[in-house]
Amino acid sequence: AQKVTQAQTEISVVEKEDVTLDCVYETRDTTYYLFWYKQPPSGELVFLIRRNSFDEQNEISGRYSWNFQKSTSSFNFTITASQVVDSAVYFCALRDEGNFNKFYFGSGTKLNVKP
Amino acid sequence: KAGVTQTPRYLIKTRGQQVTLSCSPISGHRSVSWYQQTPGQGLQFLFEYFSETQRNKGNFPGRFSGRQFSNSRSEMNVSTLELGDSALYLCASSLYLGITDTQYFGPGTRLTVL
Repeated sequence: AQKVTQAQTEISVVEKEDVTLDCVYETRDTTYYLFWYKQPPSGELVFLIRRNSFDEQNEISGRYSWNFQKSTSSFNFTITASQVVDSAVYFCALRDEGNFNKFYFGSGTKLNVKP
Repeated sequence: KAGVTQTPRYLIKTRGQQVTLSCSPISGHRSVSWYQQTPGQGLQFLFEYFSETQRNKGNFPGRFSGRQFSNSRSEMNVSTLELGDSALYLCASSLYLGITDTQYFGPGTRLTVL
């Protein structure tokens, strides 16, 4: 069965602090894809990154970075020097084994960045 | 390029009524998926349409249905509304490339059932 766990329900930081959002997944598939989405108050899910299971290289995009570790089934997301505009709910998702556009989402982590 | 659009953005209905939500995918995208988001259950997959055919379906009752038109636009219908159907309904579109596909979401329709 596919499952994504985001244990952190809500995190509050002060602007310019670094923050890491945790994501742990379960799957029996050997090839799988993981995603991160950002949901600002407007409601739209904004795509951030897609990572496949055979590429464990960490990725950096500006202030965002992702740490993928198959050994611990984790795909963590770090925001460096957080800004107020980063305040949102962040979702980690796992693609279904056979149904490419069926995602299993974690429960989300609400990030509050205070000025 | 315009993103995924959903109409209406907000909707208030009463129990027992039915509702139709609309989704226009990104130009060139052929797959449309629908998700329900509630505080209690989170984001749950409803169904996916490709080439006017339902490809996948989540664990929702038959009151939830959908369809896709030849221009890839999709509609979702909920009949005999219940209070528990109050949710944010999100539509996502993709190119339908298979395993490398990425879904892009619209702003959602917030449905309130009174």
